[in-house]
Amino acid sequence: EVQLVQSGAEVKKPGESLKISCQGSGYTFASYWIAWVRQMPGKGLEWMGIIYPGDSDARYSPSFQGQVIITADKSTNSAYLQWDSLQASDTAIYYCARRRDGYENWGQGTQVTVSS
Amino acid sequence: DLQMTQSPSSLSASIGDRVTISCRASQGITNYLAWYQQKPGNVPKLLIYSASTLQSGVPSRFSGSGSGTDFTLTISGLQPEDVATYYCQAYYSVPNPFGQGTKLEI
Repeated sequence: EVQLVQSGAEVKKPGESLKISCQGSGYTFASYWIAWVRQMPGKGLEWMGIIYPGDSDARYSPSFQGQVIITADKSTNSAYLQWDSLQASDTAIYYCARRRDGYENWGQGTQVTVSS
Repeated sequence: DLQMTQSPSSLSASIGDRVTISCRASQGITNYLAWYQQKPGNVPKLLIYSASTLQSGVPSRFSGSGSGTDFTLTISGLQPEDVATYYCQAYYSVPNPFGQGTKLEI
């Protein structure tokens, strides 16, 4: 069974850094793109970027380029989303998803709350 | 950049109705189009990929059509459990943008 398990909820202050994770199992992790999707409170799904764990080729939405960094470690079957300096507007649920035919599998989501 | 536009943004229908949601891509994406259902508090769920292929386990009342730039999701015989927000997404290349969503109420 394919599973994507994300790290737990985070509460941070503005200006702090953060790295959240997504660990895959039940398939060859290195062979499928993993995307990150943001959902702000009460809003729709926003595509942030995607990475191919096999060679760590990462691509970003223009809206998120320079705002976040997407990385992967195929030795631990994990993908990561990180911020160097969080803002209150980063408060959202962040999902990882495996791209196959469409985004077939999703993580459970990581709630990130940024508040002073 | 590629953009996806859904219509309507919300709609209200009755049990048993046939419901249609439209999605338009700003450039051609052949049939690399997926539809998702998201119920409140839940993770998005893949319903349809390749514009018209039903994901395993999805009820047959859901169907998709279209190619190029214009696509449609149809629910034939609306059920109470179909209350959700529906999103289209292009995955032809990168980026893989989502439509803004269609909130379906009964």
